Amino acid sequence: QKEVEQNSGPLSVPEGAIASLNCTYSDRVSQSFFWYRQYSGKSPELIMSIYSNGDKEDGRFTAQLNKASQYVSLLIRDSQPSDSATYLCAVNPPGGKLTFGQGTILTVHP
Amino acid sequence: DTGVSQDPRHKITKRGQNVTFRCDPISEHNRLYWYRQTLGQGPEFLTYFQNEAQLEKSRLLSDRFSAERPKGSFSTLEIQRTEQGDSAMYLCASSYTQGDGYTFGSGTRLTVV
Repeated sequence: QKEVEQNSGPLSVPEGAIASLNCTYSDRVSQSFFWYRQYSGKSPELIMSIYSNGDKEDGRFTAQLNKASQYVSLLIRDSQPSDSATYLCAVNPPGGKLTFGQGTILTVHP
Repeated sequence: DTGVSQDPRHKITKRGQNVTFRCDPISEHNRLYWYRQTLGQGPEFLTYFQNEAQLEKSRLLSDRFSAERPKGSFSTLEIQRTEQGDSAMYLCASSYTQGDGYTFGSGTRLTVV
């Protein structure tokens, strides 16, 4: 079992819709969770962090964490074509280094 | 502070040659990380430093790879006797504390021909 698993997609949504990205992780004692956005040919950019169960909202982005289910998600409301990118889930287990999923490709079509 | 800087941005080398990459982290960040990323995959951990101490090195990293952070500021990653399988994007990142998200540099794209 991979430490961090994401559906590789691609996930295609129409402009203005809600995009839902999901991630599961294996290490129960992980404490920090992050979402990165990566455009083609560029490096990852941190867009959301979440540390406790529940929802965290930042603009059009909402991160959701359920530690009991070992599940993290990212919702993007009012999706725009500029949101088209690969979204990486990252988990910080004890030991202090982020472990990344393989990423989900999101395409927002006009 | 302009973020994490990596040099060079691109490197093409012949198989068997040695290459060295440099990373300058955000100045107040004492943790520095090296990752490698291939097409369609997430970043894969290579090694990390806290100040000048190298605290962990991936077991996937062969003896051909070495990293240093001599004064706790910039870091270098050297690959000796490069192989075609070393072709990848090499990413450097830094953070202030263990629980923080990382800030990545622009990466160095290595092509071994």
